Amino acid sequence: TQLLEQSPQFLSIQEGENLTVYCNSSSVFSSLQWYRQEPGEGPVLLVTVVTGGEVKKLKRLTFQFGDARKDSSLHITAAQPGDTGLYLCAGDFILTGGGNKLTFGTGTQLKVEL
Amino acid sequence: GAVVSQHPSWVICKSGTSVKIECRSLDFQATTMFWYRQFPKQSLMLMATSNEGSKATYEQGVEKDKFLINHASLTLSTLTVTSAHPEDSSFYICSAGRLAGGLSDTQYFGPGTRLTVL
Repeated sequence: TQLLEQSPQFLSIQEGENLTVYCNSSSVFSSLQWYRQEPGEGPVLLVTVVTGGEVKKLKRLTFQFGDARKDSSLHITAAQPGDTGLYLCAGDFILTGGGNKLTFGTGTQLKVEL
Repeated sequence: GAVVSQHPSWVICKSGTSVKIECRSLDFQATTMFWYRQFPKQSLMLMATSNEGSKATYEQGVEKDKFLINHASLTLSTLTVTSAHPEDSSFYICSAGRLAGGLSDTQYFGPGTRLTVL
């Protein structure tokens, strides 16, 4: 079973602060995805990283994939209340018999206050 | 494009009854559909993977006789929770996979179904 540990589990910060969320595993992924989920809704894909060492930016969000493709980080600059939500990483594993499946991380609940 | 719907969005039922949840890919044909369960303040846990016309593959610890999955077409999968009990109360989320030109599907998630068993 592939396990993805996220840290921190909870984060409450003030508007304008910066933060970093980490996603770690002992397994190698073919790719890794980051999602944000609001209460009572399905997760929404933010980004997919594929290549070891890859860095992707989405406005104030910066995503990095570890060189060994076992870990990833999400950095938010100048957080805003609209960034509040549950952030989930998900590792994509190619199955031996074909197809693939996602294993989700433990989640990071972010609250950004005015 | 790539919209996935779920019906119902929420359901309340009595203990011992069965509940069916539908997952539809509205504008694409899904090679594979996935069912997840999410308990409050926890992450998504994969329950099963289904391909159209074949039996679903269940994750370890998920009872296949309790969570019946039917994937009758490339746009519809259903999850039936049989003889539901209060401990089955959860947020059930489906996703539909579409080949992205490589080996793996890109998964598109539905909005989820909140099940409460009294």
